Amino acid sequence: EVQLLESGGGLVQPGGSLRLSCAASGFNFRSYAMSWVRQTPGKGLEWVSAISGSSYNTDYGDSVKGRFTISRDNSKYTLYLHMNSLRADDTALYYCARYRGSGYYSDFFDYWGQGTLVTVSS
Amino acid sequence: SYELTQPPSVSVAPGQTAKITCGGNSIGRKNVQWFQQKPGQAPVLVVYDDSERPSGIPERFSGSNSGGSATLTVSRVEAGDEADYYCQVWDSDSDHPVFGGGTTLTAL
Repeated sequence: EVQLLESGGGLVQPGGSLRLSCAASGFNFRSYAMSWVRQTPGKGLEWVSAISGSSYNTDYGDSVKGRFTISRDNSKYTLYLHMNSLRADDTALYYCARYRGSGYYSDFFDYWGQGTLVTVSS
Repeated sequence: SYELTQPPSVSVAPGQTAKITCGGNSIGRKNVQWFQQKPGQAPVLVVYDDSERPSGIPERFSGSNSGGSATLTVSRVEAGDEADYYCQVWDSDSDHPVFGGGTTLTAL
């Protein structure tokens, strides 16, 4: 059974940093591209970042480019999102999602985790 | 950037058929996915590539895509189908995935 379990969310001050983790199980992690998607009540679902199975390719949404970094450790079956220079509008529930294949170009998400809440506030 | 438009809500009586639309410029040329999200739960893929169903998804869920809109059809709606439904496509201009704003399905 495919399982994705996010952690690392919490309350952080504007300008601060946070690292999210997503522990994967039930599938060959290195064979799948992975992504972070966030959700807010006002803006709905917003794609944040993606990484290929080999880590060779990464991509970011315009709103986080230059501030967030996606990475993965295939030996630990874990996906990460390093978030810097956090702003109030980064407040959201962050989901880890698996792509159907090893690349993410023109692909879609077939499994999602339960999410971890990030709140940016002073 | 590419935009997907969904009605905020759709209501049907249990046992009836619900149709949820997703509009976008030339959406008929794109592959559309649909996700179901129940309160407090993660999104679940219910339709991919316009009309394909993942294993475990009931046949009551079907999809179509032509002209200016894609449609998720839920036949014989049950109380357990109450959820938010999101459409999603790949935007070839930005090379990023895009989501619709979501539609809340209510079984009256």
